[in-house]
Amino acid sequence: NAGVTQTPKFRVLKTGQSMTLLCAQDMNHEYMYWYRQDPGMGLRLIHYSVGEGTTAKGEVPDGYNVSRLKKQNFLLGLESAAPSQTSVYFCASSYLVQGGGTEAFFGQGTRLTVV
Amino acid sequence: GQQVMQIPQYQHVQEGEDFTTYCNSSTTLSNIQWYKQRPGGHPVFLIQLVKSGEVKKQKRLTFQFGEAKKNSSLHITATQTTDVGTYFCAGPSDRIFGNEKLTFGTGTRLTIIP
Repeated sequence: NAGVTQTPKFRVLKTGQSMTLLCAQDMNHEYMYWYRQDPGMGLRLIHYSVGEGTTAKGEVPDGYNVSRLKKQNFLLGLESAAPSQTSVYFCASSYLVQGGGTEAFFGQGTRLTVV
Repeated sequence: GQQVMQIPQYQHVQEGEDFTTYCNSSTTLSNIQWYKQRPGGHPVFLIQLVKSGEVKKQKRLTFQFGEAKKNSSLHITATQTTDVGTYFCAGPSDRIFGNEKLTFGTGTRLTIIP
């Protein structure tokens, strides 16, 4: 099993450009998440999805859009990139475990630089 | 909204010394999870605690969940160079459709002095 795969791994954008980050999971998980990680800020939730065709906003959704047209894929879009969106982006997927908790599996990350 | 804070933000220890990181939530948590992220890597799940006052051990790692289910700790005994990394706690922020969205703490970065 590949687990959670993110593409691309690295990208440099110019301010105002758009791009889409792809996350794919092969574990049949219902839940998928996009986080960004900045130094000293931990992992901050951008958007998440509890199932195919559903998405919801996280803590820092502004400037991003998402889509979950297929259960295995979760796409993160930047319509007009800004330098403040320079970050490492992580996708994660999860399922319910006994007791109600959720173990999350992470992709390898995408390092995005906006110049 | 819910906030999950961790202290300390950084910890430098001599190899063989003990290490502890603390996690505090502004709201009661139904469960708490711990993750480890090696330098340049991605977060990897370590453990989940569900019950009030629960204590779990993984070799040299001891995890505790507070009685009020608002705080947790991770203690590493006799640190080794393989323990280097950032340790995150994570808890569910909301219950929507019976699921939780994970809110991560700010993390504690552990470095080991050989």
